[in-house]
Amino acid sequence: SQQGEEDPQALSIQEGENATMNCSYKTSINNLQWYRQNSGRGLVHLILIRSNEREKHSGRLRVTLDTSKKSSSLLITASRAADTASYFCATDDSTTSGTYKYIFGTGTRLKVLA
Amino acid sequence: NAGVTQTPKFQVLKTGQSMTLQCAQDMNHEYMSWYRQDPGMGLRLIHYSVGAGITDQGEVPNGYNVSRSTTEDFPLRLLSAAPSQTSVYFCASRSPGTGYTFGSGTRLTVV
Repeated sequence: SQQGEEDPQALSIQEGENATMNCSYKTSINNLQWYRQNSGRGLVHLILIRSNEREKHSGRLRVTLDTSKKSSSLLITASRAADTASYFCATDDSTTSGTYKYIFGTGTRLKVLA
Repeated sequence: NAGVTQTPKFQVLKTGQSMTLQCAQDMNHEYMSWYRQDPGMGLRLIHYSVGAGITDQGEVPNGYNVSRSTTEDFPLRLLSAAPSQTSVYFCASRSPGTGYTFGSGTRLTVV
């Protein structure tokens, strides 16, 4: 079964608005990552956040991690049409395989309308 | 350009045929993985490797074999193709503690 589950499955917003997507996972983790995938392309790494970190920023991206709730959120501020893509979280499993392998969620499809 | 190279980009197989999907990286990454992506299923891990000579199974390993004889190469072999293996296959590599660099994918259709 999937380790991570993103919510919502799909999101449509106007350009300039903020987009928030969430990821919930099942086991204790060492790290959580977020990726972007444009239609028909490979995934692009956005941010890695470690289990002892609560928040991380990269440009217009803000990621939070709540290990007590086993959840993470990705916030994209001042969205642009070019942010239209699918976004995935990926987690390792600190109880079994450590950081050797990552399991991906099913993704959130974001559409930013111009 | 540095990165992960996958070949071929497209492939059509008949049921029962075998083939190898190639993956090569030139970033000296220790870790490499193969994922398949199906509509509505996200990415599922097939096999992964933490170094030359070391491989292990992921979530959906049945019907696939891998080997890692060098740091650079991590081929994925389909032993006897089935229609259920129709998918987009992604190879990815990374160093410990970092994110993956993904290849551009191989679109495989099994008829």
